[in-house]
Amino acid sequence: AQSVTQPDIHITVSEGASLELRCNYSYGATPYLFWYVQSPGQGLQLLLKYFSGDTLVQGIKGFEAEFKRSQSSFNLRKPSVHWSDAAEYFCAVAPIFGNEKLTFGTGTRLTIIP
Amino acid sequence: DAGVIQSPRHEVTEMGQEVTLRCKPISGHDYLFWYRQTMMRGLELLIYFNNNVPIDDSGMPEDRFSAKMPNASFSTLKIQPSEPRDSAVYFCASTGRRDEQYFGPGTRLTVT
Repeated sequence: AQSVTQPDIHITVSEGASLELRCNYSYGATPYLFWYVQSPGQGLQLLLKYFSGDTLVQGIKGFEAEFKRSQSSFNLRKPSVHWSDAAEYFCAVAPIFGNEKLTFGTGTRLTIIP
Repeated sequence: DAGVIQSPRHEVTEMGQEVTLRCKPISGHDYLFWYRQTMMRGLELLIYFNNNVPIDDSGMPEDRFSAKMPNASFSTLKIQPSEPRDSAVYFCASTGRRDEQYFGPGTRLTVT
């Protein structure tokens, strides 16, 4: 069965600092990969997705993620965080073939300090 | 497009009462998902539909939970009878094939 691991439950960074959130997946083949963000009291919003092609994916709000097949990872990065980036971030995978079910990681809560 | 619409946004009810959560997916999307989010268990998929047909309900916790999709523009998630441990945020999401899932704002359910 496929699974997603986000090893960091909570990360605190200073405003303006760089950010990297980790995501590792377990699946028999390369799946579709997603990063979602959830602001307090809100639903989930897609930041970016990887289906195929260039392994460095650009998303909204200045985020990017890099797919590394050899490491089964899809880490999310941002060069300079803003206070408004404080939120919960979820990595998710879906099989290329078969149904549309997403498997979500447990999330990483990001706190920004001035 | 208005996005995925959920109602009510907040629901407070007493244990034993019936609760009905509603969802209107994005027009043209043929997949609809119901999720539950709690601090303890994170985001759990309860059930999903394709073309109004339930495909996988293995995440539905108990027979007290039921979901229907009578047409392409409406779905309900019903809990009868409700229990305090059902307190959670319930999300509905929809998608077209091979696309991202679009989430609604959620319904925060509190069962006292």
